[in-house]
Amino acid sequence: NAGVMQNPRHLVRRRGQEARLRCSPMKGHSHVYWYRQLPEEGLKFMVYLQKENIIDESGMPKERFSAEFPKEGPSILRIQQVVRGDSAAYFCASSLTTSGNNEQFFGPGTRLTVL
Amino acid sequence: TQLLEQSPQFLSIQEGENLTVYCNSSSVFSSLQWYRQEPGEGPVLLVTVVTGGEVKKLKRLTFQFGDARKDSSLHITAAQPGDTGLYLCAGEKYGGSQGNLIFGKGTKLSVKP
Repeated sequence: NAGVMQNPRHLVRRRGQEARLRCSPMKGHSHVYWYRQLPEEGLKFMVYLQKENIIDESGMPKERFSAEFPKEGPSILRIQQVVRGDSAAYFCASSLTTSGNNEQFFGPGTRLTVL
Repeated sequence: TQLLEQSPQFLSIQEGENLTVYCNSSSVFSSLQWYRQEPGEGPVLLVTVVTGGEVKKLKRLTFQFGDARKDSSLHITAAQPGDTGLYLCAGEKYGGSQGNLIFGKGTKLSVKP
């Protein structure tokens, strides 16, 4: 029973390039969340998606960042024209439901380094 | 402003000692979760508490949710080096956006043999 999978685990980009981060939720989970963790900071919510729908993107910067969770395939977090400040660990989580206790299970993260 | 305050920020103890870490807020939470994160890895869920006053035990770990659902504590008995890691509390704010977990900054625990 595979957990949440993310790839790549490490990603290096030069300023101005695009970064694509992928997340496959746990089997049977249809809710996906993206969080960002900066050094010495807690995890910050970015976006919450269900299949083909963005439910809450209140934590995502308005420019350069986008997320999708298509009917088939993994969820993608896309960062266009990356800047040094985008360097962080990006975590994806999934849950079975949001009702009740909303237990979220996290992937191993993608560590983005912008040179 | 940090909605969930964790204390202490750092804790270094000897094997066999007991410890308690705290997670406090002025806001009410529908549920609260504790995670443990190792360097280079994602947070691993330890427990979820949902009822005010609830106490849950996981081997040597005891979790408590405050009566008013504004705070929580994690107590570890007879700590072992394998308990070393970053302990994070996270919660879903009552009346807030569903799915939006708010995290504390964590308590970094080091248990020396």
